[in-house]
Amino acid sequence: EVQLVESGGGLVQPGGSLRLSCAASGFTFSSYAMSWVRQAPGKGLEWVSAISGSGGSTYYADSVKGRFTISRDNSKNTLYLQMNSLRAEDTAVYYCARKAGDTYYYYYMDVWGKGTTVTVSS
Amino acid sequence: AIRMTQSPSSFSASTGDRVTITCRASQGISSYLAWYQQKPGKAPKLLIYAASTLQSGVPSRFSGSGSGTDFTLTISCLQSEDFATYYCQQYYSPPETFGQGTKLEIK
Repeated sequence: EVQLVESGGGLVQPGGSLRLSCAASGFTFSSYAMSWVRQAPGKGLEWVSAISGSGGSTYYADSVKGRFTISRDNSKNTLYLQMNSLRAEDTAVYYCARKAGDTYYYYYMDVWGKGTTVTVSS
Repeated sequence: AIRMTQSPSSFSASTGDRVTITCRASQGISSYLAWYQQKPGKAPKLLIYAASTLQSGVPSRFSGSGSGTDFTLTISCLQSEDFATYYCQQYYSPPETFGQGTKLEIK
């Protein structure tokens, strides 16, 4: 069964850091680009970041550029999101999602994890 | 960034109704459009990609159409499990962007 399981969410103070993980199973992880998408409480979906299957190309939304870093370990079938300098507006459920191909461009997201909640508050 | 605008933002319908949701892109995106369904407390679920291709396992009462800037999602005969929020998303030009969502409620 194809599955994505996020972890690492929690409560963090403004200015703090957090690293999210997404464990993949049931498919050849390195063959697919991956994305992070977030959803603030009561709001819509916002794409955050993406990485190619090889890990050689990364992409960020302007709202997180310079603060968040996406990476992957294909030997561990795991995707990461390192979040630094967190702000209240980063509070959201963070989903990892598989892109339907190995590059970021021109592929939709066909498999989603259940999400992990990040709360930035003092 | 390409702006995606859905209409309506919410509406009420009854089981058995035929429902259409519209999504408009601020510039042409060819057919690089997906539709997702999200239920409260759950992750989004892919329904349609490439504007009109039904994802495996999705009931045939769901259909999509359009290209360029104007797209529609149609549910031909609403079932109780279809009451949810629906999002369109363009994946033509980075950053990929979502519509604001359409909440479908039971009348």
